Amino acid sequence: EDQVTQSPEALRLQEGESSSLNCSYTVSGLRGLFWYRQDPGKGPEFLFTLYSAGEEKEKERLKATLTKKESFLHITAPKPEDSATYLCAVQVVNAGGTSYGKLTFGQGTILTVHP
Amino acid sequence: ETGVTQTPRHLVMGMTNKKSLKCEQHLGHNAMYWYKQSAKKPLELMFVYNFKEQTENNSVPSRFSPECPNSSHLFLHLHTLQPEDSALYLCASSRDRDIGGYTFGSGTRLTVV
Repeated sequence: EDQVTQSPEALRLQEGESSSLNCSYTVSGLRGLFWYRQDPGKGPEFLFTLYSAGEEKEKERLKATLTKKESFLHITAPKPEDSATYLCAVQVVNAGGTSYGKLTFGQGTILTVHP
Repeated sequence: ETGVTQTPRHLVMGMTNKKSLKCEQHLGHNAMYWYKQSAKKPLELMFVYNFKEQTENNSVPSRFSPECPNSSHLFLHLHTLQPEDSALYLCASSRDRDIGGYTFGSGTRLTVV
């Protein structure tokens, strides 16, 4: 069974204090790993897609990396506006190389950045 | 505005009511999805539509009935729900099923009383 586990469940940082969020996954065949940001009362907002081990993507203070077992979302010098829940999800392919649109999500990491 | 619009934003319904959730996307995408987000639980896939055809029903109870009249519109018809069905219901779309960079709507917060 495909599984996605995110840690920590919650993270409190001071403004400017860099840190990383972890997403560990166990899947039969990975098509892609996705990071989303979700603000309270809103739907998830797409951040990054990573397809293969060693790949990295950056956007402002965020950097996502991927290995064969896990992904990290590094936050450099965070600001209070970075406070949100960060979700990780995987899309799996079957033996024939087809995916069916399903994303399997982790439970998320609630990030709070204090000024 | 994200390009995926969900209405209503909030809904309170009794267990004997019938209601519908609506989702509309203006992105030209061909795949649309319903997800359920409950407190303390990961997002759960409910249904997948690709080119208006339902391609996945993730063991969802029959009290939830989806409808996709065209690639831009998706409905979730609700009847005889239970209090444990209270959750945030999210609609999403993607260019096709193989592209996982969904665009989500803001969701409908459903409370069953």
